[in-house]
Amino acid sequence: EVHLVESGGGLIQPGGSLRLSCAASGFTVSTNSMTWVRQAPGKGLEWVSLIYSGASANYADSVRGRFTISRDNSRNTVYLQMNSLRTEDTAVYYCAKLYSDYDSYFDYWGQGTLVTVSS
Amino acid sequence: DIQMTQSPSTLSAYVGDRVTITCRASQSISTWLAWYQQKPGKAPKLLIYKASTLESGVPSRFSGSGSGTEFTLTISSLQPDDFATYYCQQYSSYWTFGQGTKVEIK
Repeated sequence: EVHLVESGGGLIQPGGSLRLSCAASGFTVSTNSMTWVRQAPGKGLEWVSLIYSGASANYADSVRGRFTISRDNSRNTVYLQMNSLRTEDTAVYYCAKLYSDYDSYFDYWGQGTLVTVSS
Repeated sequence: DIQMTQSPSTLSAYVGDRVTITCRASQSISTWLAWYQQKPGKAPKLLIYKASTLESGVPSRFSGSGSGTEFTLTISSLQPDDFATYYCQQYSSYWTFGQGTKVEIK
């Protein structure tokens, strides 16, 4: 059974850094593409970043140059390194698995981790 | 960037009603469209992909249709468990979500 468990969220001051983790079970992250999606309080869903099975990555314009997605195959875990955080980055961050690179909808989601950027 | 626009933003309905939510894309996305259901405090759940294919385990009262720029999600007979927020998502070029449609009890 597929499970995704996010961790690493918390309260951080503007300009600070945080690393989110997404631990996967029931499948192998190295052969699947994985993504991060965020949801600001009371708002809709926003795609943030994706790492393909081949390890190339894409980013939303709003985070490019500040966030970095990576994975550790030995830990079956995906990460989101978030630097230069802004108040507008406050959100619940979900990781999700892509069904495939060709049919790239998100078939499994984690429960989310809350990031609050505030002074 | 492809923009997705859902309507209505909020929908009030009775149990047993037939409900339709519309999603429009700013340019053609063929059938590269998914629908998700989200309940408060929970992660989104995949309902439909490729515009009209029902995800395994999703009740058959949910259906999707459309292609190009116009899409619909229909719930044939609204059940108490269906009161939630629904999002469309295009995956033709990167990934973009609609703003959501909240289905409320009337």
